[in-house]
Amino acid sequence: DAKTTQPTSMDCAEGRAANLPCNHSTISGNEYVYWYRQIHSQGPQYIIHGLKNNETNEMASLIITEDRKSSTLILPHATLRDTAVYYCIVRVGGGGADGLTFGKGTHLIIQP
Amino acid sequence: GAVVSQHPSRVICKSGTSVKIECRSLDFQATTMFWYRQFPKQSLMLMATSNEGSKATYEQGVEKDKFLINHASLTLSTLTVTSAHPEDSSFYICSVPGGQGLKGTQYFGPGTRLLVL
Repeated sequence: DAKTTQPTSMDCAEGRAANLPCNHSTISGNEYVYWYRQIHSQGPQYIIHGLKNNETNEMASLIITEDRKSSTLILPHATLRDTAVYYCIVRVGGGGADGLTFGKGTHLIIQP
Repeated sequence: GAVVSQHPSRVICKSGTSVKIECRSLDFQATTMFWYRQFPKQSLMLMATSNEGSKATYEQGVEKDKFLINHASLTLSTLTVTSAHPEDSSFYICSVPGGQGLKGTQYFGPGTRLLVL
């Protein structure tokens, strides 16, 4: 799996959009970008994934640059419950038989 | 996505005893499940892959005789920490791969916090 780089921590005001960057400059053509988050003392939660097109679901939007070397996860209206560690993971999309490799992630703190 | 449960949610045991943790996929069958552990202030580390009907595969550095995995059915995998010691105290989390169309995603259980005294 390609290596990813994320900021260690970020703050965001409640109600504002939270934009979490991820660099993955060595991504391969068949690798997807996945985002998970882990709220304190809980198991991780899948958020969204994409290959090259921007994606949106009920939780977030994923913007992937044209060269696919970086991406941004956007939480459009952050709430206090969005405080968590966010992990950006790059892996082959059909790789269901493989476990995930977690980096250190970004600790997002939503401020009231 | 898949609903995954774990039992117990937390357990305290004495050093030298064995502890069994269950992971259940509640809404679909899983031939593969994964076990992770997480030490305080650290990220999740993959321990092993649980395979229904065959032996588990372990990551480098994980002792297979200490962490026994049994995948007895398509909805249940168990992790037994044998002869637990204080250094085994950790947060143990299982996951289930997504179904068709979401093969690269994984759905995680709520975790089991183990404290060995």
